[in-house]
Amino acid sequence: ELKVEQNPLFLSMQEGKNYTIYCNYSTTSDRLYWYRQDPGKSLESLFVLLSNGAVKQEGRLMASLDTKARLSTLHITAAVHDLSATYFCAVDPPPGSSNYKLTFGKGTLLTVNP
Amino acid sequence: DVKVTQSSRYLVKRTGEKVFLECVQDMDHENMFWYRQDPGLGLRLIYFSYDVKMKEKGDIPEGYSVSREKKERFSLILESASTNQTSMYLCASSFFSQLYNEKLFFGSGTQLSVL
Repeated sequence: ELKVEQNPLFLSMQEGKNYTIYCNYSTTSDRLYWYRQDPGKSLESLFVLLSNGAVKQEGRLMASLDTKARLSTLHITAAVHDLSATYFCAVDPPPGSSNYKLTFGKGTLLTVNP
Repeated sequence: DVKVTQSSRYLVKRTGEKVFLECVQDMDHENMFWYRQDPGLGLRLIYFSYDVKMKEKGDIPEGYSVSREKKERFSLILESASTNQTSMYLCASSFFSQLYNEKLFFGSGTQLSVL
């Protein structure tokens, strides 16, 4: 059974600082997704990482994937208040699996303080 | 823009009532999903559908059923609502891919309270 662990689950940081959220998963997978959820809102896709070594960047967020280590990171550079949200990673089932079920991590609640 | 519309933002029901949650997408997506989101538990898949009249159980299907009579509409049914079904319900849709999941587009959610 695929398990996805995010850490930290809660992150309070100051504006202007850098930090990294980690997403580990337990079995082989080739695809990983990052989603953002603003308070009271639904989830919005941020990044789709398609292969080992993939790196995607948008604004102050950069995501990377290491399929050998079964690890993805979401790096925040010079945080601003607008980045306050809950961030979820989600992982595809193993290659060759017959199901289509994404497995989500529990989410990281990020609060950026002035 | 892809739009996934859930019929109610907030819903309050009584224990034992039959509850229908409706979801409509306008992008001709093959796949549709129902998740519930609870604090500390993240998102858990209830049911999904990859075609009209097709459905597959997710991780927590007990107490729920679904209906997909048309491609754009996916309904979640609570046959007899219970208090432990109080939760945020999220509908999502995506294109079908033979090998992988495609990214999900989520609706705005329905916060259901069962009293």
